[in-house]
Amino acid sequence: DGGITQSPKYLFRKEGQNVTLSCEQNLNHDAMYWYRQDPGQGLRLIYYSQIVNDFQKGDIAEGYSVSREKKESFPLTVTSAQKNPTAFYLCASSRRLAGAYNEQFFGPGTRLTVL
Amino acid sequence: AQSVTQPDIHITVSEGASLELRCNYSYGATPYLFWYVQSPGQGLQLLLKYFSGDTLVQGIKGFEAEFKRSQSSFNLRKPSVHWSDAAEYFCAEVGGGADGLTFGKGTHLIIQP
Repeated sequence: DGGITQSPKYLFRKEGQNVTLSCEQNLNHDAMYWYRQDPGQGLRLIYYSQIVNDFQKGDIAEGYSVSREKKESFPLTVTSAQKNPTAFYLCASSRRLAGAYNEQFFGPGTRLTVL
Repeated sequence: AQSVTQPDIHITVSEGASLELRCNYSYGATPYLFWYVQSPGQGLQLLLKYFSGDTLVQGIKGFEAEFKRSQSSFNLRKPSVHWSDAAEYFCAEVGGGADGLTFGKGTHLIIQP
């Protein structure tokens, strides 16, 4: 089955620690995305990548970092600089970035809680 | 800046009643529009999409949406809701730029027995 996997589903970390969230897709999609979801805020774009070894900041990139070394993988690191990291994180992918190709497919999400 | 507006934060509907969730988009040219549904603690699932052509589009789970350019709207409808339809619904659009989807803040649907 093709799809997007995110791991772990739940993640607990102490304040001040960096943490990396995994996202893998086997849909052969070029574009991948990370969103943050908070109650009443909808989805806010953190980073996106159109191709391997290239990525762009979204609306709320401060305190986060990403890499795109392989087409299938787009890990997100939540650094200690992120002031309020507790949230639900969603990864998505699409065939391309633009227009009709931007039908995005979503993973199941990772809930990060910073204690 | 591009924006998507979902005016209703919460909507309560009785099981078996009809449903309409509102969405207004901002991109003036030909938009690409989507409706997604999210169950609690889950990822988003695509319900339907509009790219061009027939302005009434059919989706999964008995949902449909109508594109109205004159009103900049893309409202989601279902003739008879089921308790399993209780979820969060997001409208989204792709505009002319190469910066991906813009999402509305979502509408939380509650189904009364």
